[in-house]
Amino acid sequence: GQQLNQSPQSMFIQEGEDVSMNCTSSSIFNTWLWYKQDPGEGPVLLIALYKAGELTSNGRLTAQFGITRKDSFLNISASIPSDVGIYFCAGQGGANSKLTFGKGITLSVRP
Amino acid sequence: DAGVTQSPTHLIKTRGQHVTLRCSPISGHKSVSWYQQVLGQGPQFIFQYYEKEERGRGNFPDRFSARQFPNYSSELNVNALLLGDSALYLCASSWDRATGELFFGEGSRLTVL
Repeated sequence: GQQLNQSPQSMFIQEGEDVSMNCTSSSIFNTWLWYKQDPGEGPVLLIALYKAGELTSNGRLTAQFGITRKDSFLNISASIPSDVGIYFCAGQGGANSKLTFGKGITLSVRP
Repeated sequence: DAGVTQSPTHLIKTRGQHVTLRCSPISGHKSVSWYQQVLGQGPQFIFQYYEKEERGRGNFPDRFSARQFPNYSSELNVNALLLGDSALYLCASSWDRATGELFFGEGSRLTVL
């Protein structure tokens, strides 16, 4: 089945630093999304990408939809303590809203 | 405005038992999806319902079933529970059945002993 690859499993950065996360797939997706999950909460949508090559920003977050439609990256600039959490990439390929998620990257921010 | 609400938040069952999880979508949202999230993994798609009809089903056994009611709330049922069914069950709603922009609830944490 379809799988999304996110690595490394954990990232540790200093407050104020920028961080980049990548997500790759063996399959093509029509939509790429990035979600963040805090402990005890459900995932929250950060950014949605709908077109190959699209670059979209949401505050300090920037994400790109790879031109091959098999990858995406998320950049967080000037990290702050509340950026701590698990970041999931998700791909959508069909006519329903079924999402395929990666395993997530746990981000820690040192003050 | 209320977000997606799920109940119960936590529950403990024993092997072989049955469980029913409930979800109320955001007002105006007609699509409800269910995901299973095992510890350390990303959510995995179980079902999508739109306008009370099943619109998608993931790779889960027939022990898993769901339905959507006229008020768009939904139930997920799991029969003959196995230890491996222990997970966080997430409900997500959206305004239409094709968007990937989902609004998730906080989940129901199921522990099977």
